[in-house]
Amino acid sequence: AQTVTQSQPEMSVQEAETVTLSCTYDTSESDYYLFWYKQPPSRQMILVIRQEAYKQQNATENRFSVNFQKAAKSFSLKISDSQLGDAAMYFCAMGPQGAQKLVFGQGTRLTINP
Amino acid sequence: SQTIHQWPATLVQPVGSPLSLECTVEGTSNPNLYWYRQAAGRGLQLLFYSIGIDQISSEVPQNLSASRPQDRQFILSSKKLLLSDSGFYLCAWSLVQGNQPQHFGDGTRLSIL
Repeated sequence: AQTVTQSQPEMSVQEAETVTLSCTYDTSESDYYLFWYKQPPSRQMILVIRQEAYKQQNATENRFSVNFQKAAKSFSLKISDSQLGDAAMYFCAMGPQGAQKLVFGQGTRLTINP
Repeated sequence: SQTIHQWPATLVQPVGSPLSLECTVEGTSNPNLYWYRQAAGRGLQLLFYSIGIDQISSEVPQNLSASRPQDRQFILSSKKLLLSDSGFYLCAWSLVQGNQPQHFGDGTRLSIL
């Protein structure tokens, strides 16, 4: 069975600073996909970034980037130049290759301090 | 572009009453559809997913059921709600091709009294 663990229930960062959210996972699959989703107070789940496990290059989307360490089964999210609008719950998720079901972590609540 | 609509946004129901939450997707054909429940301060628990009309897989035994009467319509139901059914319910869709991200609706907050 696949599991996703987010060990930081809460994180805070000063506006304009950089913060890293941790995610580890466990799977017996050799190929899979990883995602970070953001859930602001409005509760809508928004896709932030996606990483294919077969790719060595870390995915980047503007201020958001990941540090994917396949051997360590680690998939952290780095947010640069944090903005007040980044305040949200962040969920890490993974899905095996070819499957559609995602397994989500418990989430990390990120607070941005002005 | 594709859009997903989920309603109602908020629902308060008495214990023992029936439930029907509806989700529709526009702008794509034959999507995969999902129902999740999110307890307060917790992650998402997959309840049901569907790869086609009348093709429903249940992930967790429970008091709920799902139906997909049309290609882009997904309904979450219950005949008799329990207190433990309270939570935030999210519908999502994805393309059929593997490893596509899921796109979520705005959710329904269900409170059982």
